[in-house]
Amino acid sequence: QVQLVESGGGVVQPGRSLRLSCAASGFIFSNYAIHWVRQAPGKGLEWVAVISNDGSDKYYADSVKGRFTISRDNSKNTLYLQINSLRAEDTAVYSCARVGDILLTFGGGKFDYWGQGTLVTVSS
Amino acid sequence: QSALTQPASVSGSPGQSITISCTGTSNDVGGYNYVSWYQQHPGKAPKLLIYDVTDRPSGVSNRFSGSKSGNTASLTISGLQAEDEADYYCSSYVSGSTLVFGGGTKLTVL
Repeated sequence: QVQLVESGGGVVQPGRSLRLSCAASGFIFSNYAIHWVRQAPGKGLEWVAVISNDGSDKYYADSVKGRFTISRDNSKNTLYLQINSLRAEDTAVYSCARVGDILLTFGGGKFDYWGQGTLVTVSS
Repeated sequence: QSALTQPASVSGSPGQSITISCTGTSNDVGGYNYVSWYQQHPGKAPKLLIYDVTDRPSGVSNRFSGSKSGNTASLTISGLQAEDEADYYCSSYVSGSTLVFGGGTKLTVL
């Protein structure tokens, strides 16, 4: 069955960096674009970034552009999110989500599988 | 990339129908038929209910339906059930290759 499992979260001081991972299984990882979505405690969903199935296309929300870098290793079936210069407002659960259609980068925002997320807390 | 506008809360009694609106602009909701709706129970991952404005994934109850008029999309839930109590989010593709979610709507089943 399709699984997405995030890891790498934790408590981090402002200004520091963190790399999140999303391990995928149960499907042909290299066929699907994957997005990162975050949710601050008690708040709504916020789209963060996407990477195309082959890693050639990457797009970011304005709020994270220049600080976040999305990448993937299709040989390891793993997605990454490098977060630099962490701010208090980056505190959130970060989840990866699979686009529901093969080879489409956005697929209209149709996310058919989500991970449970990993919590990033930015605090001194 | 401002969030799409959703009512903060809606409520209804079992068996009734409710509608949740999702208002954007011509750069997102109004410009593309790429609106999705998600249901999220506390502590759980979001679940896809509707995609491409009106389409339902297999396995999703036909009590859930989507529509769009101009810059506003809507999710209608008919025959409300206690298990429908959850948070609901819309999302839309945005010109320039980004995505935006709505602020979320808390549904209370009275």
